[in-house]
Amino acid sequence: EDQVTQSPEALRLQEGESSSLNCSYTVSGLRGLFWYRQDPGKGPEFLFTLYSAGEEKEKERLKATLTKKESFLHITAPKPEDSATYLCAARNGGSQGNLIFGKGTKLSVKP
Amino acid sequence: DTAVSQTPKYLVTQMGNDKSIKCEQNLGHDTMYWYKQDSKKFLKIMFSYNNKELIINETVPNRFSPKSPDKAHLNLHINSLELGDSAVYFCASSQDLIPRGTQYFGPGTRLTVL
Repeated sequence: EDQVTQSPEALRLQEGESSSLNCSYTVSGLRGLFWYRQDPGKGPEFLFTLYSAGEEKEKERLKATLTKKESFLHITAPKPEDSATYLCAARNGGSQGNLIFGKGTKLSVKP
Repeated sequence: DTAVSQTPKYLVTQMGNDKSIKCEQNLGHDTMYWYKQDSKKFLKIMFSYNNKELIINETVPNRFSPKSPDKAHLNLHINSLELGDSAVYFCASSQDLIPRGTQYFGPGTRLTVL
């Protein structure tokens, strides 16, 4: 069964304290690994898509990387406005390419 | 300009009632989706529509029926509401169904069934 697992469930950082979020996936025929940010009471906001192992993408303080079994979202020198839940989703290789979401990592950055 | 909008934002109703949630996208996308986010925060796909044709139905009870009057709208009708239907429902859209379709989400509709 296709599955996406994110860890940790919650992460508290001090402003400026860099860290990484993990997304492990078991998906048949991966057709893309997606990262989203979700703020309370809002819909997920697209951040990155990664397609092949070794690929990296960056946006401001965020960098996403991909291996054959997992993806990492690295946060460098985070700010309080980076506080949100970060969702990882994998698209499987079925004919319709379902997006399978993880439960998310709730990040809190304290000033 | 809101790219993907949903109404209502909150919906409180009694068991057994029938209700609808509306979704509109102004991105010119070909595919629209409905997701359910339960109390455990998992987002699970319910339906997708591509050019007004149902593409995915992930074992959702037939009390749920998506209806798309045109490419920019995908409404969700729910009959005989049950307590377990309480969740946040998200509409989303993408240009392509596969393989590189990035999905853009609406703000969600929080449904509470009493």
